[in-house]
Amino acid sequence: DTAVSQTPKYLVTQMGNDKSIKCEQNLGHDTMYWYKQDSKKFLKIMFSYNNKELIINETVPNRFSPKSPDKAHLNLHINSLELGDSAVYFCASRQTRQSSGANVLTFGAGSRLTVL
Amino acid sequence: DAKTTQPNSMESNEEEPVHLPCNHSTISGTDYIHWYRQLPSQGPEYVIHGLTSNVNNRMASLAIAEDRKSSTLILHRATLRDAAVYYCILRGAGGGADGLTFGKGTHLIIQP
Repeated sequence: DTAVSQTPKYLVTQMGNDKSIKCEQNLGHDTMYWYKQDSKKFLKIMFSYNNKELIINETVPNRFSPKSPDKAHLNLHINSLELGDSAVYFCASRQTRQSSGANVLTFGAGSRLTVL
Repeated sequence: DAKTTQPNSMESNEEEPVHLPCNHSTISGTDYIHWYRQLPSQGPEYVIHGLTSNVNNRMASLAIAEDRKSSTLILHRATLRDAAVYYCILRGAGGGADGLTFGKGTHLIIQP
């Protein structure tokens, strides 16, 4: 069983469309994340979410929104797609503990989004 | 999270040990040192972490300097499958949902 699974693995779409990427984790973790990796291979955190708080990286356009129907899922919705949104998007999860410095993240395999 | 400095790339031969350095001179007393790696076309994966003492696991060893201002990830016998980008990351001990901040990492090239 894949611990953190993302769908779709590849997504090709036109500018201006609205799309979603789904993420599910079966690890029982309480916190989930979305990261973006651009063509220069920089990994940037977009969102952190648990049932208590949503932390949004201030550089993320408001066209991007996370939606969490339950603790095991964190989907990424993107409205009005732009060419610059082309990237690989990674979902991750972890279990927060009191001493969170030791917590490790488990990542999905990534979803490659191409906007034409 | 405090900043780390790593070489952009390193090259090693297959079946030889590899020492990947990381400088973190501004580390605070409660920061953990984490190492992740990203194999080609895959998501990052956890390798090892430590606070003060050296650590060993099935993937690697982590040697932490006594003053904690630097650390070294040691792959004891590199294989071609170890070719990846290795990230050294500091993670504070505070609670909350905040994630890890990735730098540029070290691109490790393994020669057969």
